[in-house]
Amino acid sequence: AQTVTQSQPEMSVQEAETVTLSCTYDTSESDYYLFWYKQPPSRQMILVIRQEAYKQQNATENRFSVNFQKAAKSFSLKISDSQLGDAAMYFCAYRSHLGGYQKVTFGTGTKLQVIP
Amino acid sequence: GAGVSQSPSNKVTEKGKDVELRCDPISGHTALYWYRQSLGQGLEFLIYFQGNSAPDKSGLPSDRFSAERTGGSVSTLTIQRTQQEDSAVYLCASSLAGNYNEQFFGPGTRLTVL
Repeated sequence: AQTVTQSQPEMSVQEAETVTLSCTYDTSESDYYLFWYKQPPSRQMILVIRQEAYKQQNATENRFSVNFQKAAKSFSLKISDSQLGDAAMYFCAYRSHLGGYQKVTFGTGTKLQVIP
Repeated sequence: GAGVSQSPSNKVTEKGKDVELRCDPISGHTALYWYRQSLGQGLEFLIYFQGNSAPDKSGLPSDRFSAERTGGSVSTLTIQRTQQEDSAVYLCASSLAGNYNEQFFGPGTRLTVL
């Protein structure tokens, strides 16, 4: 079974600075998807960014980018120019690329605090 | 367009009572998921519906938990004889079919069992 580990329960960053959230996963599969979801205090989770394992290029969405290291099974999220609205729980998630339905496995989350 | 909605947003109940939690997915989304999020924890998978296929119930923690999805749209999660350890936020998500597609989450129902 796949596991997803987020070793940083809490992180803080100064507004306008850059922060990196860590995520590692364990799998024997070669094809899969990785996701970062954000959950603000409103509880509504939204997708921040996703990566397909067969793509070597790191995904980027505006101020959000990932550092995907397939051999190391690492998928960290970098937030540049941090804003107060970035304060939230961030969850890393894994999903197999195998055919048919595959469950999504979530990490335990990292709570990000943005300091004005 | 409307997102995933859940009701009620908060529910307080007494131990031993039954509760029903409702989820309205995004129109056209064939996949629907229920998760449980306990304080300070990640998301625990409960159950998955996909179209007319048999649901994946492998995450339901006990036979007190059940869910149904009527007409391929609205879903209800029922917890019978609630226990204090059932207190958590229950999140519903929907998506298009396919493992690449993102899940769209509702705001959740916070259940408190006294």
